[in-house]
Amino acid sequence: GESVGLHLPTLSVQEGDNSIINCAYSNSASDYFIWYKQESGKGPQFIIDIRSNMDKRQGQRVTVLLNKTVKHLSLQIAATQPGDSAVYFCAENRAGGYNKLIFGAGTRLAVHP
Amino acid sequence: SAVISQKPSRDICQRGTSLTIQCQVDSQVTMMFWYRQQPGQSLTLIATANQGSEATYESGFVIDKFPISRPNLTFSTLTVSNMSPEDSSIYLCSVESVLLYREGLAGGPDTQYFGPGTRLTVL
Repeated sequence: GESVGLHLPTLSVQEGDNSIINCAYSNSASDYFIWYKQESGKGPQFIIDIRSNMDKRQGQRVTVLLNKTVKHLSLQIAATQPGDSAVYFCAENRAGGYNKLIFGAGTRLAVHP
Repeated sequence: SAVISQKPSRDICQRGTSLTIQCQVDSQVTMMFWYRQQPGQSLTLIATANQGSEATYESGFVIDKFPISRPNLTFSTLTVSNMSPEDSSIYLCSVESVLLYREGLAGGPDTQYFGPGTRLTVL
């Protein structure tokens, strides 16, 4: 089995409910934020991104909210499905010569039927 | 959309040996990166693979332990040298390119896309 997500905080939700995954980032100078989904045995997959000049961005069933005042990022998944079960990482991009992604600790989302 | 592949997908190695991991992209990309993901943990950047010049390493990672090559715009290798059990991790390459963005890939010109990873176990 895969070791990704074994020791990460877990969010358990019922299928059909909405999920909210939170992330605190560290650098107030970061200007680009990305949410990735990592399924067992796979690399991180891009979900949605947001830049620091925005507070909210919506995609298909997903919404990202950015609160720069408290350096907080959240990912909302509407009508959560079993296929959404994975580990979710936020990442911040610290500008400064080249793009360097700093990843958050990750949250494991478990969707129950 | 860009396809990023890594070889091998997994390996079990003996202490003291070295393993070279390959990352191949089916499109030319500007930037290539190597990350390590230790068991149950998040991703940590090892280095940026620069085409035609030495890689740029992050704090805590050195060239002697993790030599990197990038001979062209579609290929890079990471070698894990003189391995110990502490090197057991998933090693991931990622790419970033404004060209991928212009091809219609989701995200922006500075979005990083990841390969499937190489799962390394050192005994």
